[in-house]
Amino acid sequence: SYVLTQPPSVSVAPGQTARITCGGNNIRSKSVHWYQQKPGQAPVLVIYYDNGRPSGIPERFSGSNSGNTATLTISRVEAGDEADYYCQVWDNSSDHPGVFGGGTKLTVL
Amino acid sequence: EVQLVESGGGLVQPGGSLRLSCAASGFTFSNYEMNWVRQAPGRGLEWISYISSSGSTIYYADSVEGRFTISRDNAKNSLYLQMNSLRAEDTAVYYCAKDALGRGSKAFDIWGQGTMVTVSS
Repeated sequence: SYVLTQPPSVSVAPGQTARITCGGNNIRSKSVHWYQQKPGQAPVLVIYYDNGRPSGIPERFSGSNSGNTATLTISRVEAGDEADYYCQVWDNSSDHPGVFGGGTKLTVL
Repeated sequence: EVQLVESGGGLVQPGGSLRLSCAASGFTFSNYEMNWVRQAPGRGLEWISYISSSGSTIYYADSVEGRFTISRDNAKNSLYLQMNSLRAEDTAVYYCAKDALGRGSKAFDIWGQGTMVTVSS
């Protein structure tokens, strides 16, 4: 089955740029979606189709996908961005197609 | 307001069964694919099941296939998850999640608040 690999943690100072990676074999051939989850809350979709931004999501959130790595970029990080972030794809070649990465804890220093 | 509300969670003994429900409102439920996603305590998200808008196509994660059954009633705007032969490792918060686009983006834009399932003797 398809595997997505994320770093367990990323730390960044307020105002700086955070980059969270999601690795997968030839992931550029898939659409990658990203979710933000704060403690005790349901996940929130922040990026879809690699770089689409749902309404209500700040422009500071962006995404890219190339080669074997997709990246969620958060510019001008704020304290409120501290959360767990998950990447997700749909593997059409599998009988068990839904796949999440293991998640990355973003800490704002 | 677009909303999903899960119910049916609780404490169950190993080997037991539970049926989760997800009530949808604020959108045309019959137009959207739906999914169940779970999260074990302190762990990450795990996709467990998908159903197409008509109910004709269904997928499961390997970890639940043969034990869980997803279904929907478009007339009642409801999604269900029948869980049988429950194991301790099925202990988790269970979320229903709506597909972001009517054409099946496989991104999940609306999530319920989750319902906790605890499997323990």
